[in-house]
Amino acid sequence: AAGVIQSPRHLIKEKRETATLKCYPIPRHDTVYWYQQGPGQDPQFLISFYEKMQSDKGSIPDRFSAQQFSDYHSELNMSSLELGDSALYFCASSLGGGTTDTQYFGPGTRLTVL
Amino acid sequence: QKEVEQNSGPLSVPEGAIASLNCTYSDRGSQSFFWYRQYSGKSPELIMFIYSNGDKEDGRFTAQLNKASQYVSLLIRDSQPSDSATYLCAVNAHHQAGTALIFGKGTTLSVSS
Repeated sequence: AAGVIQSPRHLIKEKRETATLKCYPIPRHDTVYWYQQGPGQDPQFLISFYEKMQSDKGSIPDRFSAQQFSDYHSELNMSSLELGDSALYFCASSLGGGTTDTQYFGPGTRLTVL
Repeated sequence: QKEVEQNSGPLSVPEGAIASLNCTYSDRGSQSFFWYRQYSGKSPELIMFIYSNGDKEDGRFTAQLNKASQYVSLLIRDSQPSDSATYLCAVNAHHQAGTALIFGKGTTLSVSS
């Protein structure tokens, strides 16, 4: 079965640079979620989109923005990168955007900020 | 106090034994409860979800939910070395739109052969 696709899988950036992470949800899924997982930490919710509209917002820094496009893929834009932004970034998708929806995670993008 | 609490472990069990993983949560309004398995450096993989009080079985896995006690558990029967991983308990965040998952810090399970 098709899964969530994330690109790139690895990304190395310098401080103060920008980065764009992409997420392609499971076909027919209409909801996308972004999570950040630091070393030894649990995943932290950043933001979600349902039918191309922001549906929920978590601990996403103001330096980050995201959107969901007409084909339901999503991009997370990160500016003025800091050392502390080094983490695994996971995208998850679900069908329906509801509170009982099951979220399926992509393989993640490992961002390293030097 | 973290909203979702788990014992970090490690929990060590011999091959073939039952592993019992526990989780408590603080938000009484939470409706959905999930168990994910995560291998080091990999993404969380859904194991079980449960919405109603009681037990739910799927193969070697059984999830148990007690909303009155705000407690959810995962039992793994006939544990295998391949089950060695970190198990994350996740609960939907009722105080927000309700769709975000709040994770516990995970319990590390080690199954010895």
